[in-house]
Amino acid sequence: QQQVKQSPQSLIVQKGGISIINCAYENTAFDYFPWYQQFPGKGPALLIAIRPDVSEKKEGRFTISFNKSAKQFSLHIMDSQPGDSATYFCAASYSGNQFYFGTGTSLTVIP
Amino acid sequence: GAVVSQHPSWVICKSGTSVKIECRSLDFQATTMFWYRQFPKQSLMLMATSNEGSKATYEQGVEKDKFLINHASLTLSTLTVTSAHPEDSSFYICSTRSSSYNEQFFGPGTRLTVL
Repeated sequence: QQQVKQSPQSLIVQKGGISIINCAYENTAFDYFPWYQQFPGKGPALLIAIRPDVSEKKEGRFTISFNKSAKQFSLHIMDSQPGDSATYFCAASYSGNQFYFGTGTSLTVIP
Repeated sequence: GAVVSQHPSWVICKSGTSVKIECRSLDFQATTMFWYRQFPKQSLMLMATSNEGSKATYEQGVEKDKFLINHASLTLSTLTVTSAHPEDSSFYICSTRSSSYNEQFFGPGTRLTVL
């Protein structure tokens, strides 16, 4: 059973646009929700993370929105740039244990 | 974030041989390290969790005798793929987690190709 469901599978956005990737989870024990960015042939890099006691976290052009009641969280990339083209994974974990990853979203930003 | 290195970054080997991949935590002592496998255009699949000084915990379906994990120190974990076969060809990624926070930091990955 997929613990974390991610959508869309792929996304194409014009330069300057907003990229939105969504994730949903079932386990209410999850207490840590990170997003990772992965370029081809590289390991994932932590982009931004949130805990369930806040509804939003912003770091530069990247924002996580968290809806605890709906058990959903999303990544928003403002002013998307071609350099943002990568695969993005959401994840969830509890008490620092195993991370459960989403299936990934391939983002392409068109110049 | 933490700095994690992997060696080698890529390796090609013949079927039946064994390959060792090293994962090093360069700037903090990692009590826990994770090993993942990633097939093209797919998500990361956790293979095993290794804790320093104890036996690794393998995920269901991962053969512990085929994928040997050693976490002998707080900065080094190794994954040995024994008697490798073409179906073992994949991207292997390690990550580290310290005891003081929950974040996982990933290594750059190792591309294994078994001929």
